[in-house]
Amino acid sequence: KQEVTQIPAALSVPEGENLVLNCSFTDSAIYNLQWFRQDPGKGLTSLLLIQSSQREQTSGRLNASLDKSSGRSTLYIAASQPGDSATYLCAVFGRDYQLIWGAGTKLIIKP
Amino acid sequence: ETGVTQTPRHLVMGMTNKKSLKCEQHLGHNAMYWYKQSAKKPLELMFVYSLEERVENNSVPSRFSPECPNSSHLFLHLHTLQPEDSALYLCASSQDHPGPYGYTFGSGTRLTVV
Repeated sequence: KQEVTQIPAALSVPEGENLVLNCSFTDSAIYNLQWFRQDPGKGLTSLLLIQSSQREQTSGRLNASLDKSSGRSTLYIAASQPGDSATYLCAVFGRDYQLIWGAGTKLIIKP
Repeated sequence: ETGVTQTPRHLVMGMTNKKSLKCEQHLGHNAMYWYKQSAKKPLELMFVYSLEERVENNSVPSRFSPECPNSSHLFLHLHTLQPEDSALYLCASSQDHPGPYGYTFGSGTRLTVV
């Protein structure tokens, strides 16, 4: 059964730092992995979708990588800003056509 | 208007009330989903609709009743809820189900049962 883990659960850094959020999964037979952002009490905003055949995707200051063989994905945020403060969730779409979610990383960027 | 729209944004209801949550997508997607997000818990998939037919019902109590009148609209009818049903209810859509197309979410309805 697929399990998705996000480490760390929470992260607080000063503004301007580059940072990496991690997502690991136990079954490498996946179709894709999607990173989302959720502001407190709000819905989910899709950030990046990486198909299983891709190694990375980029959008602005965000870069997501995927290494299926090791069961890992990273979300890299460059030059962090206070507006990046949110909970970041990864979700894996796997062989059983289920979307399995990580518990999220709560990110706080201090001005 | 584009994307996935949910109404209302907030809802407070008594345990004997009947209310409905509405979701509308303007993406031309064929699949729609209801998720429940409780505090400090992972998202829970409740229902999946593909081409207006329910294809999954993940052991959800009958006090939650979904309806999908067409591929653009999805409702969640609520009746005789319990306080533990208080949560953020999220609607999502995808090009097809099942399929590796990625999901688009709405902003959610914050439900409080009193």
